[in-house]
Parts: sequence; structure tokens; C-alpha cells
Amino acid sequence: EVQLVESGGGLVQPGGSLKLSCAASGFTFSGSAMHWVRQASGKGLEWVGRIRSKANNYVTAYAASVKGRFTISRDDSKNTAYLQMNSLKTEDTAVYYCTRPHYNILIGYDEDWFDPWGQGTLVTVSS
Amino acid sequence: DIVMTQSPDSLAVSLGERATINCKSSQSVLSSSNNKNYLAWYQQKPGQPPKLLIYWASTRASGVPDRFSGSGSGTDFTLTISSLQAEDVAVYYCQQYYSTPLTFGPGTKVDIK
Repeated sequence: EVQLVESGGGLVQPGGSLKLSCAASGFTFSGSAMHWVRQASGKGLEWVGRIRSKANNYVTAYAASVKGRFTISRDDSKNTAYLQMNSLKTEDTAVYYCTRPHYNILIGYDEDWFDPWGQGTLVTVSS
Repeated sequence: DIVMTQSPDSLAVSLGERATINCKSSQSVLSSSNNKNYLAWYQQKPGQPPKLLIYWASTRASGVPDRFSGSGSGTDFTLTISSLQAEDVAVYYCQQYYSTPLTFGPGTKVDIK
């Protein structure tokens, strides 16, 4: 069974930093891109960013709202993806989900529809 | 960026009746290279993460009941629940994966009338 488990959320002051983790199991993590999506309370889903696999050079991409402040990384030996969040703002308060895109073996590329999703971890940025 | 809109914001449908949700993209998500629409639908119940329902605009994900169907092409898409069940009460989101940044619609809340 594919499982994604986020951790590391909590309360942080504006301007502070936090690092989230996403532990994966049940699939070949090293061959998969990983994405982060967030959801403010009572609001919709916002894509945060992604990191591709080693075969795709660990290329990252970010939403404009977090670019330059957030960094996605991964440790394939630990089957874990990370979201380093710096210079946090109150508007970054949200549940953060990690999720996995579908990998098309035939074309060797990700198709960015997501299944499954982790349960999420809550990040609260407040003074 | 591709902007996704959904209508209505919410709807209430009687049990066993049809529910229809519309999703529109600000530009086409139909690829000319493979003739596929890069559009997915998700269901999110309170306190839970989203769950994939549909990808490629009309392909049901594994284990999704066949009362859920997706249709449309280009910029206009529809998610239909043919016979609403109590367990279908949720918020439904469309998502384009044609280009980065990936974007979601604002969601449509479905309730029982």
C-alpha cells in the first residue's frame, strides 16, 4: 500500500523557518517526483511546488507565492521528501500535503495528477 | 498561469438525483501532441485529504464508483454524479496539469437536499 506521512508542522512566528518531512512507503520513491500542496483553513488547494526524480535531475519548480522562500529537497536513501520554509508569513498558515504524481513508464515522465495524498501537517504562522 | 473556475460554488441535490459540476480553464488544456485533456477531479471530505476521482478529464481512478463521470475538452469540463449518495457529500476540485504552475479550481461543495 502506498503511504505518505507528513510531519514537522507547528506554530512559528512570522519571519521564522520550519522544515516539513514527507515519509513515503509502498512504492519506488527514488523513481517518483514529489509535490507539495497546501490548503488554508476553509479555503481551496494551492500547489506549492515539486521535485523530480534523480533520473530527471531533481529539477524543482515552485509557485510564485513561495519562490525564493521555500525549498523542496529529497533523500532517496530515506524515502523522504522535505519542504524547507523560510521567511514565513501569516498567509503561509495552512495544512501542507505531500502527494505523488503518476509516472508514465512508457514515456518516462510524470503526469501530474495526484494519488495518493498524505494526511497533511498543519503549519501556523502567528506571533 | 492557467486560471481554473468552477460553477456553481455549491449545490444541494436529493439522494439518487444527478449532480453536475462545471470547470473552466482560462486556456485550453488539450494537448495537440497526444489529444489528451490535462484535467483531473478530486473529492475532499471534511478533515480528509483530497482523493483522486478522474484524470485525463474522463478516466475514472481505480476504485471510483461508476456513478462518477467526467467529460469535456479544451477549456470546458464537467463532473457528473449520476445518482447522489450520502457518502458523496464533499467538496470537489478540478485541477489542470497542462502546465506549471499547476492550478486548482476553487471547489464546489455538494450537499444533500
